[in-house]
Amino acid sequence: DGGITQSPKYLFRKEGQNVTLSCEQNLNHDAMYWYRQDPGQGLRLIYYSQIVNDFQKGDIAEGYSVSREKKESFPLTVTSAQKNPTAFYLCATRDRGEYQETQYFGPGTRLLVL
Amino acid sequence: RKEVEQDPGPFNVPEGATVAFNCTYSNSASQSFFWYRQDCRKEPKLLMSVYSSGNEDGRFTAQLNRASQYISLLIRDSKLSDSATYLCVVMEGSARQLTFGSGTQLTVLP
Repeated sequence: DGGITQSPKYLFRKEGQNVTLSCEQNLNHDAMYWYRQDPGQGLRLIYYSQIVNDFQKGDIAEGYSVSREKKESFPLTVTSAQKNPTAFYLCATRDRGEYQETQYFGPGTRLLVL
Repeated sequence: RKEVEQDPGPFNVPEGATVAFNCTYSNSASQSFFWYRQDCRKEPKLLMSVYSSGNEDGRFTAQLNRASQYISLLIRDSKLSDSATYLCVVMEGSARQLTFGSGTQLTVLP
């Protein structure tokens, strides 16, 4: 199957703990993105990567870190510095397309703080 | 000021009704425009791109007015399965990042 996979589906974090969310794609897309969604709000950009070994901060990068060692993988670490991590985390890839670039999303990870 | 603003909703309409959603965006340099659909507790899924000339996909029609920085979505002959949150989205910047409206919730009633 082609697509974007995210794991785990649900993740529980204890106070002071770092946790890593997985995002994998087999679409051969260069660009990947991490967004966060809070209830009743639109998605906000955390980090993005346009190519392997390069990534940039988005609008709300504080308390998060990423790596892009392989084209297929763009993991997101939620560090203890992120004071309000409870949210729905969505990974996306960008398809250049024949006529227009579009982004497609993985199924998401729900992070809850215990 | 929000960068992408949508009708707050919620919209509750009977089956077969026509419903319209509106959206405005603040960045005149925005490059591309979309409507995404998001079902409860699921990821957003691309519904359709929006072009300046207007475009239609079955019961769905999207319009873009760049001068007014206004985007619309019209759904005709609403089905129960159209119940979802509709997200107005613009693509901008060298990173082609997406900026989302907060969404408009639609419930189609039997």
